[in-house]
Amino acid sequence: RKEVEQDPGPFNVPEGATVAFNCTYSNSASQSFFWYRQDCRKEPKLLMSVYSSGNEDGRFTAQLNRASQYISLLIRDSKLSDSATYLCVVNPTPGSQGNLIFGKGTKLSVKP
Amino acid sequence: DAGVIQSPRHEVTEMGQEVTLRCKPISGHDYLFWYRQTMMRGLELLIYFNNNVPIDDSGMPEDRFSAKMPNASFSTLKIQPSEPRDSAVYFCASTAGTRRLQAFGSGTRLTVV
Repeated sequence: RKEVEQDPGPFNVPEGATVAFNCTYSNSASQSFFWYRQDCRKEPKLLMSVYSSGNEDGRFTAQLNRASQYISLLIRDSKLSDSATYLCVVNPTPGSQGNLIFGKGTKLSVKP
Repeated sequence: DAGVIQSPRHEVTEMGQEVTLRCKPISGHDYLFWYRQTMMRGLELLIYFNNNVPIDDSGMPEDRFSAKMPNASFSTLKIQPSEPRDSAVYFCASTAGTRRLQAFGSGTRLTVV
């Protein structure tokens, strides 16, 4: 089993749709979780951290399910500008600064 | 504030040549990371430094790859000799010790022909 797995997509959705991505991780000791966004031919940028209690930032909601070892990202009222690749990121080693494991990403395309 | 600065943005070189990629981290950040991204393998950590000292280089693919950080504001990733399979986008990222929110540079797109 790969350390961090994501459905590569692409997810093609119309503007205004709600879309959800899931990500599974293999190391049950993982402590920190993030979603990064990467636009075509650009660098990854932090979208949001994922907290145990779940967290929301505007149209974006992140959830963590430790029992099932998955993380989700929900985007409501999707915009054309949401089109990008969304990377699930896990820090599997508590206290380790460097050991971020990136998923390969889920590609989202929002159409007019 | 200036972000992480990488150079060059694009590099095209012939197989067997030496390639040097450069990175300037965000001032005050004490961790620096080198990643490689390909379609097949995604984003992979190659090596990271803390206070200019290499901490984990287990991701460096082979002896052809080397990285240095002579001071807090500069790092290099060198490939010698380069091979076509090294073609990828190489990202540098930095972070401060109390946070795990890595800031990435714009990347160097390397093509080895």
